[in-house]
Amino acid sequence: QVTLKESGPGILQPSQTLSLTCTFSGFSLSTYGMGVGWIRQPSGKGLEWLANIWWDDDKYYNPSLKNRLTISKDTSNNQAFLKITNVDTADTATYYCARGNWAFFDYWGQGVMVTVSS
Amino acid sequence: DVQMTQSPYNLAASPGESVSINCKASKSISKYLAWYQQKPGKANKLLIYDGSTLQSGIPSRFSGSGSGTDFTLTIRSLEPEDFGLYYCQQHNEYPWTFGGGTKLELK
Repeated sequence: QVTLKESGPGILQPSQTLSLTCTFSGFSLSTYGMGVGWIRQPSGKGLEWLANIWWDDDKYYNPSLKNRLTISKDTSNNQAFLKITNVDTADTATYYCARGNWAFFDYWGQGVMVTVSS
Repeated sequence: DVQMTQSPYNLAASPGESVSINCKASKSISKYLAWYQQKPGKANKLLIYDGSTLQSGIPSRFSGSGSGTDFTLTIRSLEPEDFGLYYCQQHNEYPWTFGGGTKLELK
């Protein structure tokens, strides 16, 4: 059974760095074709893809967030991470992690809400 | 970036009816389109990938069609649990992009 669960700070201030963790079970990030992606959704709005990391450590980022994103993984502990630097109120959203299966997301976490506020 | 345009934005239907949701890409994405269902309090669910391949465990009343720039998700004989939000996503090239969503509501 594949499960994913996101965790994060809940609230942070503008200009801080947002650190998110995805803890998963039921698959390994060392398995050929597997990956983890991060997607966010502001309240009442649509989904925005942020980044993917794959079993071979290939990483892909949404260029709209320029150089603010860093994705990484800890294969031994079944975790993936996303950092977003210099946050502002526009980064307020629910953040999801999802399992990448070659080219789509076949399992999603429930999401974690993040609020950026001074 | 490939822009994904979904229509309609809202859709009202009754149980037992069939509905279609459309997704149009700003350029050809071959067959590489996925459909997801989103419901409050539940994890997003993959319904269809590669345009028309039904994800394991998804009821056969869901079907996907299309290629190139135009795709359709069809739900036959709606069940009460089918009401919610639906998103398309292209997985042909980076950055992966989603459609704006379609809200399927009970009439």
